Amino acid sequence: DTEVTQTPKHLVMGMTNKKSLKCEQHMGHRAMYWYKQKAKKPPELMFVYSYEKLSINESVPSRFSPECPNSSLLNLHLHALQPEDSALYLCASSQSSRGHGAKNIQYFGAGTRLSVL
Amino acid sequence: AQSVTQPDIHITVSEGASLELRCNYSYGATPYLFWYVQSPGQGLQLLLKYFSGDTLVQGIKGFEAEFKRSQSSFNLRKPSVHWSDAAEYFCAVGARGDDKIIFGKGTRLHILP
Repeated sequence: DTEVTQTPKHLVMGMTNKKSLKCEQHMGHRAMYWYKQKAKKPPELMFVYSYEKLSINESVPSRFSPECPNSSLLNLHLHALQPEDSALYLCASSQSSRGHGAKNIQYFGAGTRLSVL
Repeated sequence: AQSVTQPDIHITVSEGASLELRCNYSYGATPYLFWYVQSPGQGLQLLLKYFSGDTLVQGIKGFEAEFKRSQSSFNLRKPSVHWSDAAEYFCAVGARGDDKIIFGKGTRLHILP
């Protein structure tokens, strides 16, 4: 099973709202990722968690706040977003590069389509 | 620095025709190479991967790719495309010990009936 589950599939929020995106995997992967993807563009890496610790933050604005409560779950908390933050947000997971012999094969969820009004 | 180039933004082929999507990478060490496919509004699905060994790798949905170190290429091929293959295709490069992978800009595949 190579399934990564993201909820919700669609989200519409105002600029003053607070919302959260959720991601779950049960493949025993210890690395989890958030990507942002605009239309007709490749995914852009936002955050990487390795063994539940934030290992990479690609200079993402603080209105995006990631959280990894356990090895299977990854959240992205959203607050005071801007209309330009409207995009498809993708979660992925893989074996962590810290693991012996691990290979970074990333498996993606179906994404959350976010619209900020 | 690592980089991936997909020279073709759009490719149009007739259903039943063969397909080749190009990917060139720049990386100092032995790369890990991937091809992903994305249908509109969906996530990315892994088609195939290369880490080492046999330079011709087989993937899902009848796709294959060949790693050519001398040309820094990892082109994706399919002998006969189906209308359902219409999608965006991304080539990506990674490395051992690195959680990040770098994506190319993608190639949009259109299928003529």
